[in-house]
Amino acid sequence: DAKTTQPPSMDCAEGRAANLPCNHSTISGNEYVYWYRQIHSQGPQYIIHGLKNNETNEMASLIITEDRKSSTLILPHATLRDTAVYYCIAYSGNTPLVFGKGTRLSVIA
Amino acid sequence: GAVVSQHPSWVICKSGTSVKIECRSLDFQATTMFWYRQFPKQSLMLMATSNEGSKATYEQGVEKDKFLINHASLTLSTLTVTSAHPEDSSFYICSARDWSMDTEAFFGQGTRLTVV
Repeated sequence: DAKTTQPPSMDCAEGRAANLPCNHSTISGNEYVYWYRQIHSQGPQYIIHGLKNNETNEMASLIITEDRKSSTLILPHATLRDTAVYYCIAYSGNTPLVFGKGTRLSVIA
Repeated sequence: GAVVSQHPSWVICKSGTSVKIECRSLDFQATTMFWYRQFPKQSLMLMATSNEGSKATYEQGVEKDKFLINHASLTLSTLTVTSAHPEDSSFYICSARDWSMDTEAFFGQGTRLTVV
């Protein structure tokens, strides 16, 4: 079973920041927080991951709370192409990724 | 970055026939690959773990005799849906990770199987 919970859906205006929350209160000390997204009828695409510190790459930023019980994925300037289902996964690297239901993000023009 | 290629992207087959789906890691060796299935409006469900040179490990409820997995080389795993039926129609996705580089898992483009 997935160890994370996410809101089922969110809307975001194009050009605005999209902030996607994720709760992982039972995450283990050796588990990273991974984010993937899936655009309709495609395989999941890796976005970012982190352990304790906040992370940023060309796609997004990841903010992890100090107690590691929750995190937020930030897409700084959402575009229509960011419309997808976003999955937050607690992952230790020696097991397969287990997907929850994710958050369906709709970016609106 | 590492790429995982899946073939075919879509396939339509008659009920009772078998269909083979290929998953290749293009620029890295994958001792372990994973196969998922996704029904419409649902999340990805892990079907099995494919291990190079040994038998696959199947998740509970997945019939190993129906979903044959072969991982004959470090860059290729195949999933064969035997005696396909309409209820096997789904989106099948493979995943692989370059364990030597400790990178994230990469996913294939997925295969849309329609059994008529």
